[in-house]
Amino acid sequence: QKEVEQDPGPLSVPEGAIVSLNCTYSNSAFQYFMWYRQYSRKGPELLMYTYSSGNKEDGRFTAQVDKSSKYISLFIRDSQPSDSATYLCAMSATGTYKYIFGTGTRLKVLA
Amino acid sequence: DAGITQSPRHKVTETGTPVTLRCHQTENHRYMYWYRQDPGHGLRLIHYSYGVKDTDKGEVSDGYSVSRSKTEDFLLTLESATSSQTSVYFCAIRGESPNEQFFGPGTRLTVL
Repeated sequence: QKEVEQDPGPLSVPEGAIVSLNCTYSNSAFQYFMWYRQYSRKGPELLMYTYSSGNKEDGRFTAQVDKSSKYISLFIRDSQPSDSATYLCAMSATGTYKYIFGTGTRLKVLA
Repeated sequence: DAGITQSPRHKVTETGTPVTLRCHQTENHRYMYWYRQDPGHGLRLIHYSYGVKDTDKGEVSDGYSVSRSKTEDFLLTLESATSSQTSVYFCAIRGESPNEQFFGPGTRLTVL
């Protein structure tokens, strides 16, 4: 079993929809949680990050962490065709310098 | 843009030849990383560095070596390239916070 699980998709939604992207993990030591967006043939771009539990909002994006369920989510409101990309979750434990990534979910927002 | 460049951006080589990929950063970050990205596997850590001459292995380090003689440069070497090392290679740095990891543009390597 992988430490971090992420549905690969593809996930297709109409423009304007609310998108929910999720990752589950097994290591309870993870405290740092990140979401990256990766366009085709580009490097991953840090989108949002949170520490421990709770929510964080940035414009149309909201990141949630539920440590009791070992589950993190990224919500995208009013999705746009420009949001079409692969979204990667990543996690790290306190005191380590390593990051564990999910395999990524491919999102397509249809105009 | 975290000031990370990778060279070359594309390379085609033959099995058994040595290959060196270079990562260069301009912002004096202590931690640097090499990942490979493959379909179905996501990003996997090859090696990382926590300072000049200080490096450690990641989960897929077999067949790879690294060197860091200057803060700004982190080199990844495939001593004898194999077809299984065909991949996209990304360099990354860790920013001020443990939450912040920034990636370079990637090197697409094909081993024939």
